[in-house]
Amino acid sequence: QKEVEQNSGPLSVPEGAIASLNCTYSDRGSQSFFWYRQYSGKSPELIMFIYSNGDKEDGRFTAQLNKASQYVSLLIRDSQPSDSATYLCALNAGNNRKLIWGLGTSLAVNP
Amino acid sequence: GAVVSQHPSWVICKSGTSVKIECRSLDFQATTMFWYRQFPKQSLMLMATSNEGSKATYEQGVEKDKFLINHASLTLSTLTVTSAHPEDSSFYICSARDMAGKGYTFGSGTRLTVV
Repeated sequence: QKEVEQNSGPLSVPEGAIASLNCTYSDRGSQSFFWYRQYSGKSPELIMFIYSNGDKEDGRFTAQLNKASQYVSLLIRDSQPSDSATYLCALNAGNNRKLIWGLGTSLAVNP
Repeated sequence: GAVVSQHPSWVICKSGTSVKIECRSLDFQATTMFWYRQFPKQSLMLMATSNEGSKATYEQGVEKDKFLINHASLTLSTLTVTSAHPEDSSFYICSARDMAGKGYTFGSGTRLTVV
């Protein structure tokens, strides 16, 4: 089992819809969870991070963490074509604090 | 917010030469910097973790003598690709963790092409 698993997609949603991206992980000791967005040919940019169980909202984005079930999700409300990108889930594991990455989910928002 | 400046953004070099990539944290002190490599349509691959003033920790399979990392100050880390070959052509990205440890900020990346 991979440490961080994401559906590679592509996930296709119409403009204005809610996009739901999911990530599961295997290490129960994971402390911090991150969602990054990466456009083709660009470096990743942080969308948000979450440490505690529950929801965390930032604008159109909501991260949801459930440590008991070992999943973290990202909801994008009112999806826009500019949200079309690869979304990477990462978590912090180990004392040296390096990030463990999923392979990413490709999102396409159709006008 | 935290900003990481990475230079150059792209470089073309001849096979057998060396290339240095710089990564600077502009408005915070980075105790730890990470160097990644990404091939087209693939995910990020961590190459090494560097801590200011100490030797870098390389991931399994990454040649430390080929990819030299220096993290001499809290704001600067460099990656030198020595004796580059066409298979080293890739997108290299640095990432810094701020001292508060809350986030990991990425540089804009360096696209290396070895001809």
